Amino acid sequence: EDKVVQSPLSLVVHEGDTVTLNCSYEVTNFRSLLWYKQEKKAPTFLFMLTSSGIEKKSGRLSSILDKKELFSILNITATQTGDSAVYLCAVPNNAGNMLTFGGGTRLMVKP
Amino acid sequence: DAEITQSPRHKITETGRQVTLACHQTWNHNNMFWYRQDLGHGLRLIHYSYGVQDTNKGEVSDGYSVSRSNTEDLPLTLESAASSQTSVYFCASSESINGVGKAFFGQGTRLTVV
Repeated sequence: EDKVVQSPLSLVVHEGDTVTLNCSYEVTNFRSLLWYKQEKKAPTFLFMLTSSGIEKKSGRLSSILDKKELFSILNITATQTGDSAVYLCAVPNNAGNMLTFGGGTRLMVKP
Repeated sequence: DAEITQSPRHKITETGRQVTLACHQTWNHNNMFWYRQDLGHGLRLIHYSYGVQDTNKGEVSDGYSVSRSNTEDLPLTLESAASSQTSVYFCASSESINGVGKAFFGQGTRLTVV
């Protein structure tokens, strides 16, 4: 059974801080790892990682994958209050057509 | 623009009632999913479908059913609502194999069973 574990469960920081969110996984056949951001509504797609060591970057957000140690990290630099959200990590199943989600990390950025 | 919509957005129902949550997507995706989201559990898969007339049970399927009579819709039915089914429900759709990274989510339905 595929498994995804995220840490920490929640995090409170101040604007301008840098945060690192963790995601570890166990899958039968690794295809990719995905990060989503969920504010009050639906999760929105952030990154899809397939190769170790290659950083994906979008503005202040970046993510990297370690397929040997089976984890990924999501970094947010110079955090803003708008970064407050639940960040979800997910992996597709063996067939590549269903996602298993981690429990999420709730990030709160205070002004 | 293509989209995925859920209705209703909020619902309060009584224990024992049958409830149906609607999900409609215009992406023409084959894959559709229903998740529930509860504090401490993240997103858990209820049912999913890979195409018309195809339905499959997910991790937490007891007390729920789905049907897929066309590509666009995957309604979720709670046969006899229970308080344990109070949750936020998300519908999602994605392309076929290798397209799951681009799964699109509906805005969610907050269901309260009293």
